[in-house]
Amino acid sequence: TQLLEQSPQFLSIQEGENLTVYCNSSSVFSSLQWYRQEPGEGPVLLVTVVTGGEVKKLKRLTFQFGDARKDSSLHITAAQPGDTGLYLCAGGGTSYGKLTFGQGTILTVHP
Amino acid sequence: SQTIHQWPATLVQPVGSPLSLECTVEGTSNPNLYWYRQAAGRGLQLLFYSVGIGQISSEVPQNLSASRPQDRQFILSSKKLLLSDSGFYLCACLTSGETQYFGPGTRLLVL
Repeated sequence: TQLLEQSPQFLSIQEGENLTVYCNSSSVFSSLQWYRQEPGEGPVLLVTVVTGGEVKKLKRLTFQFGDARKDSSLHITAAQPGDTGLYLCAGGGTSYGKLTFGQGTILTVHP
Repeated sequence: SQTIHQWPATLVQPVGSPLSLECTVEGTSNPNLYWYRQAAGRGLQLLFYSVGIGQISSEVPQNLSASRPQDRQFILSSKKLLLSDSGFYLCACLTSGETQYFGPGTRLLVL
């Protein structure tokens, strides 16, 4: 069974601070997705990374896939209150397109 | 790109009553479809997945069942709801690659 350990579980910061969320596993994934979810809504895809060592940037968000494709990180620069939400990582590569999800990081950015 | 619809958005049901949640997909054909349950806004638990009409695979033993009567329709059902069935139910779609896209979710409260 593949597991994804996501940390931290909770993050409460002030507007303008930087933060990093981590997803780690002992298993290799062929891809890694990051989602953001607001209360009462479905997760929205932020990025998919598929190549070991890959770095993708989405405005103030930087996503990295580890060289061995066992871990990933999400870095947010100068966080804003609009970044508040639940961040989920999910690893792909199992049968029938199933994903392995981390437990999520609840981010709160205070104005 | 695909669009995923779920209804109802919110449902309050008494213990022992039946359940039917519907998910429909637009903008794609022959997708893989998934039902997840999310408790307390944290990680997602995969309940069922389907790779085609009439093909259902269950991930965890439970009080729920799923059906796929049409290519782009996925239904989650129960004959008798339990209190523990309360939660946020998400439908997801996979069309290519390894990235799943999610619907808006249904919040179920069993009293």
